[in-house]
Amino acid sequence: EVQLVESGGGLVKPGGSLRLSCGASGFNFNNSNMNWVRQAPGKGLEWVSYITSGGTYIYYADSVKGRFTISRDNAKNSLYLQMTSLRAEDTAVYYCARLSMVRGGLDYWGQGTLATVSS
Amino acid sequence: DIQMTQSPSSLSASVGDRVTITCRASQSISNSLNWYQQRPGKAPKLLIYAASSLEGGVPSRFSGSGSGTDFTLTISSLQPEDFGTYYCQRGYSPPLTFGGGTKVEIK
Repeated sequence: EVQLVESGGGLVKPGGSLRLSCGASGFNFNNSNMNWVRQAPGKGLEWVSYITSGGTYIYYADSVKGRFTISRDNAKNSLYLQMTSLRAEDTAVYYCARLSMVRGGLDYWGQGTLATVSS
Repeated sequence: DIQMTQSPSSLSASVGDRVTITCRASQSISNSLNWYQQRPGKAPKLLIYAASSLEGGVPSRFSGSGSGTDFTLTISSLQPEDFGTYYCQRGYSPPLTFGGGTKVEIK
């Protein structure tokens, strides 16, 4: 069974940092390109960041560039998102998701973890 | 960056109705277009990939069409379990931009 399990969300003050983790099982994580997608309360989906299977290529949405860092540890089947200089508008549920290289869509999703930025 | 625009932003329809949602890309994306369904409190689910290919396990009442800049998601006969919000997304390579979403309510 495919599973993606996010963790690390919580309440943090503006300007603070948070590190999200996503543990993967049930599929070949080492060969998968992975993403973070977020959803602010009551709002739509926003793609945040992408990393290739070996970590060579990394992309960010303009809204987080320079503040967020995506990384992965294939030995631990884990994906990470280091978030710094957090703002109120970063408050969202953060999902990790796999990008199918064959189909071009996000076919596996986690349940999400909520990050709240508030004083 | 390519922008994705969906319409309408919301709709209300009866069980059995044919429902159409449109998505427009700000420049040509060939057939690199995906559709997702999201029910309240749940993660999105991939319905259609490459503009018109049905993801495994998705009912055949869902279909997608289009290429270039204009795309359509059609539900041929709306069912009670089809409530939720539908999103289009540019696929295959980043930035994987989403449309703003279409909320579907059952009358």
